[in-house]
Amino acid sequence: ETGVTQTPRHLVMGMTNKKSLKCEQHLGHNAMYWYKQSAKKPLELMFVYNFKEQTENNSVPSRFSPECPNSSHLFLHLHTLQPEDSALYLCASSQEGGTEAFFGQGTRLTVV
Amino acid sequence: GESVGLHLPTLSVQEGDNSIINCAYSNSASDYFIWYKQESGKGPQFIIDIRSNMDKRQGQRVTVLLNKTVKHLSLQIAATQPGDSAVYFCAEIDNTDKPIFGTGTRLQVFP
Repeated sequence: ETGVTQTPRHLVMGMTNKKSLKCEQHLGHNAMYWYKQSAKKPLELMFVYNFKEQTENNSVPSRFSPECPNSSHLFLHLHTLQPEDSALYLCASSQEGGTEAFFGQGTRLTVV
Repeated sequence: GESVGLHLPTLSVQEGDNSIINCAYSNSASDYFIWYKQESGKGPQFIIDIRSNMDKRQGQRVTVLLNKTVKHLSLQIAATQPGDSAVYFCAEIDNTDKPIFGTGTRLQVFP
């Protein structure tokens, strides 16, 4: 248990659906991240939030919409996804940028 | 762009042997490096880290070596055990404080 909890663990959705991924950390960290992990590719950083403010958006398509209501919670809203968006989505947090990140277990997303 | 890469995608070792996983990085401005272990169905977990002002750091059964001259990082696991089977990632933290991950090396331990 790393202190970073992601729900759901698995999600299957159609291309016309809207769903949300949730991440919660109880470590008192002030930076939170969304990563995408596809087979045989490096972890791709999607979004970074520092003190609830988005500081990084790595050219992520608008069908992915992050939300950070407070420093402990992070959401990733999904709509009209494509099959190639199927992947493991990992949330992480750290005390501040440039230090060790703690990862959640991830949400295995399948788009059909 | 900058990149962090791993020399071997899969490493198979016999239980009890030592394992060495290698990583190359290209950003000379990176000053912090981390090794993560990812078991099947789990997120990456921190193993050990090293700052650029060091060339070696030891943990319990693990050692990280940093060679800044050739921009090379390695993870050594002593007396490899079945529980060490996982994918290992190196990550570098660059001067923008963003972690950059390699593709990962799968370590397989056989009896």
